[in-house]
Amino acid sequence: DAKTTQPPSMDCAEGRAANLPCNHSTISGNEYVYWYRQIHSQGPQYIIHGLKNNETNEMASLIITEDRKSSTLILPHATLRDTAVYYCIVKIYNQGGKLIFGQGTELSVKP
Amino acid sequence: NAGVTQTPKFQVLKTGQSMTLQCAQDMNHNSMYWYRQDPGMGLRLIYYSASEGTTDKGEVPNGYNVSRLNKREFSLRLESAAPSQTSVYFCASSDGAGESYEQYFGPGTRLTVT
Repeated sequence: DAKTTQPPSMDCAEGRAANLPCNHSTISGNEYVYWYRQIHSQGPQYIIHGLKNNETNEMASLIITEDRKSSTLILPHATLRDTAVYYCIVKIYNQGGKLIFGQGTELSVKP
Repeated sequence: NAGVTQTPKFQVLKTGQSMTLQCAQDMNHNSMYWYRQDPGMGLRLIYYSASEGTTDKGEVPNGYNVSRLNKREFSLRLESAAPSQTSVYFCASSDGAGESYEQYFGPGTRLTVT
């Protein structure tokens, strides 16, 4: 299973961009990178996913390096409501779509 | 759209008791999942159902059984609860089981076994 490595915690000032890094050096060519977040022990919330190209949606941008060994989730203008644990996940190919959650990064957005 | 709903929200059991956690989704999704989350940990997959009529074990299936009742509903049963099963249980669903489908999660059931 491809594993991911994330810093355990990060701080960000409100209104600034939050850049959350993730290493996934053993990712296979057909495995996607997914990002979820979990606020206060609520159910995880899907943010974005990508294969090899950079992706953007209304919540965030995902930058994947050319060798696909790492990625960065960017929240362009962080708010206090973005305080959460962010999980970077490599989705297992052909195993029912299961997600392997690591420890994640606890992002604290401060005023 | 309610999305993914779970019942009950909270439950306290005594060791050896049984119970069923219910999950339903109204998004016409094909695949459904049960995860557990212990304090300070990420989620771990218990069982999943890639499509109606099929179920498969995940990482931590021991002590649990599942039923995919129909396309909407996926239940998780604890036959004889143990304190080690104290956890928060999340149900999720997705349009497919392939690698490009995102999962949508319910609000969780907080279970304490004494």
